[in-house]
Amino acid sequence: GAVVSQHPSWVICKSGTSVKIECRSLDFQATTMFWYRQFPKQSLMLMATSNEGSKATYEQGVEKDKFLINHASLTLSTLTVTSAHPEDSSFYICSAAKSGTRSYEQYFGPGTRLTVT
Amino acid sequence: GDSVTQMEGPVTLSEEAFLTINCTYTATGYPSLFWYVQYPGEGLQLLLKATKADDKGSNKGFEATYRKETTSFHLEKGSVQVSDSAVYFCARLNNGNYKLTFGKGTLLTVNP
Repeated sequence: GAVVSQHPSWVICKSGTSVKIECRSLDFQATTMFWYRQFPKQSLMLMATSNEGSKATYEQGVEKDKFLINHASLTLSTLTVTSAHPEDSSFYICSAAKSGTRSYEQYFGPGTRLTVT
Repeated sequence: GDSVTQMEGPVTLSEEAFLTINCTYTATGYPSLFWYVQYPGEGLQLLLKATKADDKGSNKGFEATYRKETTSFHLEKGSVQVSDSAVYFCARLNNGNYKLTFGKGTLLTVNP
């Protein structure tokens, strides 16, 4: 159990367009989901914490108007990169923490590679 | 703030060699500690974890012990395989806000 999926797995878009990435917990409910960004050969950087039914909490330096996060249900969170630019090209990874348990372990999705041309 | 420091790679070993990847963490609070593995082009997979001092996490021949006195969580494996080639991340979980802080990652390459 504890499978997290992301869709799409990769996407190419033109500069100025918006892209939506979905993160789903397939076999458990997740009150809290996290969005990370990973640059080539670098570590994961936490972008924001997403809580079901409330506004996301963004890390310092992350533009909330550019990276829109919605967590509308206990199994789905979405990240929309608005007006994408080439510098937004990156590997975006989400994770989910199971609801109703004492374990705060995060389960990671396979990632979405975004390329902005 | 929370931080994790792990040895920088890349690390290149021959098959069946002994592996150690060092990791130290900031001791604020009582963090849980994790090792994640990332294969090329994929997301992170949990390799092992430890939630309190002196706990030993183990999986697939890998081990790491939560050492409070040295604030360390070093990853070890007695005999690596080619299939172990990947990037390994050490991470600490802040049990207050549930945020994970990752080390920079260590690229391991195992040659036949």
